[in-house]
Amino acid sequence: DTGVSQDPRHKITKRGQNVTFRCDPISEHNRLYWYRQTLGQGPEFLTYFQNEAQLEKSRLLSDRFSAERPKGSFSTLEIQRTEQGDSAMYLCASTVGQYPRNIQYFGAGTRLSVL
Amino acid sequence: DQQVKQNSPSLSVQEGRISILNCDYTNSMFDYFLWYKKYPAEGPTFLISISSIKDKNEDGRFTVFLNKSAKHLSLHIVPSQPGDSAVYFCAASVWEGGSEKLVFGKGTKLTVNP
Repeated sequence: DTGVSQDPRHKITKRGQNVTFRCDPISEHNRLYWYRQTLGQGPEFLTYFQNEAQLEKSRLLSDRFSAERPKGSFSTLEIQRTEQGDSAMYLCASTVGQYPRNIQYFGAGTRLSVL
Repeated sequence: DQQVKQNSPSLSVQEGRISILNCDYTNSMFDYFLWYKKYPAEGPTFLISISSIKDKNEDGRFTVFLNKSAKHLSLHIVPSQPGDSAVYFCAASVWEGGSEKLVFGKGTKLTVNP
């Protein structure tokens, strides 16, 4: 399978703990996105990488969130001191298309539950 | 401020009939539109797209229509099949804040009844 891969698929954690998610994009895709989706909503943009450079962070991404993409390959999203409001599906997408033909390919997501 | 709106949370149609899913947008800077389909426990899957310079794009049973003056697009599925039952998201591509991103609507849950 050469699609976007996310790990883990599910994460249950206690409030205040740190969690880290991983995304492996499609191999030739230089652009990688993180989104958050809550119940009844569409995916909401969190942050964007072009190769290893993080080019934009949404105001949704508080200081407790950090994302990296070392060497422009896989990416990690870390949430420190988790809160119940962080419970959501975290989606990763990648693309190689030129703007505006920005067709993004999504992984299956990581569902986070903060107790 | 919801820039992409899907005002129908759900839609139910009979197998073989036409499904029409609607989407409205407010930002005139959007210049490329996409539809994604999402099954439970899976990520969104790209379905079909349309450039703002066109008013129609067709791919098999799926056709997307764009009315720029009304800031409205629609997805037609003909004929509808039970396997089309999923949540459909409308999305718009925009260059904003120094990068390009997709802005999604809240989705419409389509149920196709046998």
